[in-house]
Amino acid sequence: TQLLEQSPQFLSIQEGENLTVYCNSSSVFSSLQWYRQEPGEGPVLLVTVVTGGEVKKLKRLTFQFGDARKDSSLHITAAQPGDTGLYLCAGDQGAQKLVFGQGTRLTINP
Amino acid sequence: KAGVTQTPRYLIKTRGQQVTLSCSPISGHRSVSWYQQTPGQGLQFLFEYFSETQRNKGNFPGRFSGRQFSNSRSEMNVSTLELGDSALYLCASSLSGGRNYGYTFGSGTRLTVV
Repeated sequence: TQLLEQSPQFLSIQEGENLTVYCNSSSVFSSLQWYRQEPGEGPVLLVTVVTGGEVKKLKRLTFQFGDARKDSSLHITAAQPGDTGLYLCAGDQGAQKLVFGQGTRLTINP
Repeated sequence: KAGVTQTPRYLIKTRGQQVTLSCSPISGHRSVSWYQQTPGQGLQFLFEYFSETQRNKGNFPGRFSGRQFSNSRSEMNVSTLELGDSALYLCASSLSGGRNYGYTFGSGTRLTVV
């Protein structure tokens, strides 16, 4: 049973479009982290959200943590080919252990 | 500053052999975690060490073990390798546990068991 469900699993859009990736769970997390992974490399941290209802912006990326701290979303505005990659959400339930979603493979076509 | 360094980057082993992977965390980071990444299961937590003590362990068989040294460098060992152990093994470091500030991952060790 996957504790964190990410959707969609695959997304291919044209440059300039907007998109949203969702990360949902029935469990409460003390924090929710988003990572981006390139082929052959380890995940790179994009953001950590800790407070329910928190919204963080990183240039064209907007991250939101649900009020109940069970879900999160990543919104990208005006996607660029450089945004292509595997996006992973990860929940921290305490005990220094991350639970990862299956990932969203995003392709931005020029 | 230097990132998380994992060695070797690639390994090919035969079923039944054992393997040791190494991870050097970011200087000053005392927490080191290990994850296994496969296409079917995604990223799964193996274990976490802090100041040479294992604080948490994932749901993997006893063939998977690890340790941490006084300089925070960590090793993981897999004994009696099986084909299903083929995966990307990732190490992540943090100051004390990455709840608020996240983790820094290494590039991983790609293990292939034949």
